[in-house]
Amino acid sequence: AQKITQTQPGMFVQEKEAVTLDCTYDTSDQSYGLFWYKQPSSGEMIFLIYQGSYDEQNATEGRYSLNFQKARKSANLVISASQLGDSAMYFCASFGRGSTLGRLYFGRGTQLTVWP
Amino acid sequence: ETGVTQTPRHLVMGMTNKKSLKCEQHLGHNAMYWYKQSAKKPLELMFVYSLEERVENNSVPSRFSPECPNSSHLFLHLHTLQPEDSALYLCASSHGTSGGSGNEQFFGPGTRLTVL
Repeated sequence: AQKITQTQPGMFVQEKEAVTLDCTYDTSDQSYGLFWYKQPSSGEMIFLIYQGSYDEQNATEGRYSLNFQKARKSANLVISASQLGDSAMYFCASFGRGSTLGRLYFGRGTQLTVWP
Repeated sequence: ETGVTQTPRHLVMGMTNKKSLKCEQHLGHNAMYWYKQSAKKPLELMFVYSLEERVENNSVPSRFSPECPNSSHLFLHLHTLQPEDSALYLCASSHGTSGGSGNEQFFGPGTRLTVL
């Protein structure tokens, strides 16, 4: 089994500033993947970014980047130049080769609020 | 329609009612999922279908009955539910179930279910 820990229930950031959302994971799998999803108040989970355990470079997608530190088992999401529309719940999730077919393990999420 | 759609968006039902949740994906994916999201709990995987065959039933009570008539449609039939079943029910789809880049799960907006 895998476990995802998100220690920040809520984070606040001013518009245009960068923010880091923490995620640590616990897995015995050698091969695994890490995902970040955004959930606005409307409810839909929006895929943001993916990092494979064997990827040597940190993943980036536009304003999103993943600070992957394998030895520390952390996969923090960095959002640069925050926008008001970034206010949402953010979930970190993992998938391992030993996981039950198709199963993603989610953390409890971090509520991000961007203020003007 | 694009992406993953779910109907209804909101549902209120009594414990003796029978209702169904519908999910449709327009992404050409082969795998579909049902998740339950309760307040203050991580997302819980309920069922996984791959090529219309159920490949995972994550110890879900029998009052929840999934149906996948084809790779684009997924239903969750509900009967004699309990108040603790009130939650957001999310449907997702992916190309395959092996995880990793290219098999990200794409979610619908969810059905907010209230059981009285």
